[in-house]
Amino acid sequence: DQQVKQNSPSLSVQEGRISILNCDYTNSMFDYFLWYKKYPAEGPTFLISISSIKDKNEDGRFTVFLNKSAKHLSLHIVPSQPGDSAVYFCAASGDFGNEKLTFGTGTRLTIIP
Amino acid sequence: NAGVMQNPRHLVRRRGQEARLRCSPMKGHSHVYWYRQLPEEGLKFMVYLQKENIIDESGMPKERFSAEFPKEGPSILRIQQVVRGDSAAYFCASSPPEGEDTYEQYFGPGTRLTVT
Repeated sequence: DQQVKQNSPSLSVQEGRISILNCDYTNSMFDYFLWYKKYPAEGPTFLISISSIKDKNEDGRFTVFLNKSAKHLSLHIVPSQPGDSAVYFCAASGDFGNEKLTFGTGTRLTIIP
Repeated sequence: NAGVMQNPRHLVRRRGQEARLRCSPMKGHSHVYWYRQLPEEGLKFMVYLQKENIIDESGMPKERFSAEFPKEGPSILRIQQVVRGDSAAYFCASSPPEGEDTYEQYFGPGTRLTVT
């Protein structure tokens, strides 16, 4: 039972354009959502998070949008840079983050110079 | 501020041996989580610990796996009598104690276990 889904295994975007990564979830008890970036042979790096009481959170080039009614969130990266090429994982948890994370299967983002 | 530290980074064990993976959380963090990533898959939760307490072990296999986070020293994930299917990357994460404004989990670099 995949409670957090990232339906696009891969995405290619031109440098300087916007990258949009999508994530869907099924468990309505989730109330905290996070995005992580992962390079090969390294641990996931925290990017940005959002609580269920918000619908948008922005940090520099990264913005996360949450649509609770659709159980959907997205990560926007603008402008995209070559260093953004990595695997991006969406994760969710209850208790506003103070418990285990449930991860999606990841989207491999490739930025084309 | 040092990040989450894990050692060893790579571990090779023969079938039937024991594997011990260590994790030191970020300074000031009191919550430790262990996750496993099998090839071409996402991370799967295994266990959540606070000092001297297992809070949630719902993701731990029922046999051969155990975890601890003692009052002093790192958290240990122990796998007894390893089998080939245990080959994976094991990640530790830590988060601040209750009362903080945010609960992001910060990950270590992982231990890559190979069972031959």
